[in-house]
Amino acid sequence: DTEVTQTPKHLVMGMTNKKSLKCEQHMGHRAMYWYKQKAKKPPELMFVYSYEKLSINESVPSRFSPECPNSSLLNLHLHALQPEDSALYLCASSRGGVVTRGNTIYFGEGSWLTVV
Amino acid sequence: KQEVTQIPAALSVPEGENLVLNCSFTDSAIYNLQWFRQDPGKGLTSLLLIQSSQREQTSGRLNASLDKSSGRSTLYIAASQPGDSATYLCAGPNTGNQFYFGTGTSLTVIP
Repeated sequence: DTEVTQTPKHLVMGMTNKKSLKCEQHMGHRAMYWYKQKAKKPPELMFVYSYEKLSINESVPSRFSPECPNSSLLNLHLHALQPEDSALYLCASSRGGVVTRGNTIYFGEGSWLTVV
Repeated sequence: KQEVTQIPAALSVPEGENLVLNCSFTDSAIYNLQWFRQDPGKGLTSLLLIQSSQREQTSGRLNASLDKSSGRSTLYIAASQPGDSATYLCAGPNTGNQFYFGTGTSLTVIP
């Protein structure tokens, strides 16, 4: 099983709403990631969790709040988003912790977020 | 921060043609380099992973090479098929877990 599962696939939310994106993997991977991808652009790294601890935050606005409740789950809590935050949000995982030497990174299908 | 560039940005070829996609990176201290495929509206599918100690990896009609000293990787696709139409992305970590992606090459294979 080399699957990263993301829910929901599509989400429409107002600027005052609070919602969450969820990601799950059962490959025993200890590094999990959130990426944001705008149309016709490459994915941009947002957060990295290593052994359930936040190890990298790429200066993401606080309206995005990540959470890693256990080694299989990764959430992205959304609050007071702006229309420009509309994008495809990709979750990924890889084996190992802080240094991913030689490890393949696996991506989910993504969650399409529209902020109205 | 690793800067990754892919050339060409878009490519259109007739079915059956062999083709090469290019990826350049600024920091040669990469641990590995990975090639991905992304279909419209979909997530990323890993195609090939080349370790820093390797020079080539092959999977079916795909062959990827890595030259760390020159900061380049290439993805060779043999006998292209319409089903190969997608965006191809390369990515490589240099330190920690930061996989930085290239700008992508949009490939169209014409039947």
